[in-house]
Amino acid sequence: AQSVAQPEDQVNVAEGNPLTVKCTYSVSGNPYLFWYVQYPNRGLQFLLKYITGDNLVKGSYGFEAEFNKSQTSFHLKKPSALGSDSALYFCAVRFPYGQNFVFGPGTRLSVLP
Amino acid sequence: DTEVTQTPKHLVMGMTNKKSLKCEQHMGHRAMYWYKQKAKKPPELMFVYSYEKLSINESVPSRFSPECPNSSLLNLHLHALQPEDSALYLCASSQPSGGRAKFFGPGTRLTVL
Repeated sequence: AQSVAQPEDQVNVAEGNPLTVKCTYSVSGNPYLFWYVQYPNRGLQFLLKYITGDNLVKGSYGFEAEFNKSQTSFHLKKPSALGSDSALYFCAVRFPYGQNFVFGPGTRLSVLP
Repeated sequence: DTEVTQTPKHLVMGMTNKKSLKCEQHMGHRAMYWYKQKAKKPPELMFVYSYEKLSINESVPSRFSPECPNSSLLNLHLHALQPEDSALYLCASSQPSGGRAKFFGPGTRLTVL
């Protein structure tokens, strides 16, 4: 079965420290991978995606993600966390011939002063 | 213009009311989507329109009726809803091919009394 896991419901990080939000997937073939962020009572904002090529993908607001095919992971990272990064983060997987995303359950990131 | 707009932002309705949610995009996207999102959960796909034709209906109750009048507009008609239908309803758009990111609107917060 196709699935996306975000093993941590909550991640706490001190402001200025590096942050990592984890995502692993279980799908066949070569899916496309995405990260979205959601602030309270708002829609989802696209951060970055991996389609093919370089395993390190850079996105919006200083975020980047590393694709690891052998570990089927796509972890989101940022070198220095800001208070404004506190939000709900969703990893998503999409198949080359499908229109739907499979979303992970979400990880709440809290950046502490 | 990289924005998806949704109206209204908030909607309160009784179980016997008829109302509509509206979504608009001017990015030239040919796929549009309706999602339902409960608090702290990932969005759940409801409907997909591709080239103005309904291509996916995720077994949504008939009290939800989508409509795509043209390539820029998407409506969701609501009738005889239940309190458990209260949620954030998100519209999204993208190009139909698999590697393209979806862009989400800010959502309509629906409360059914």
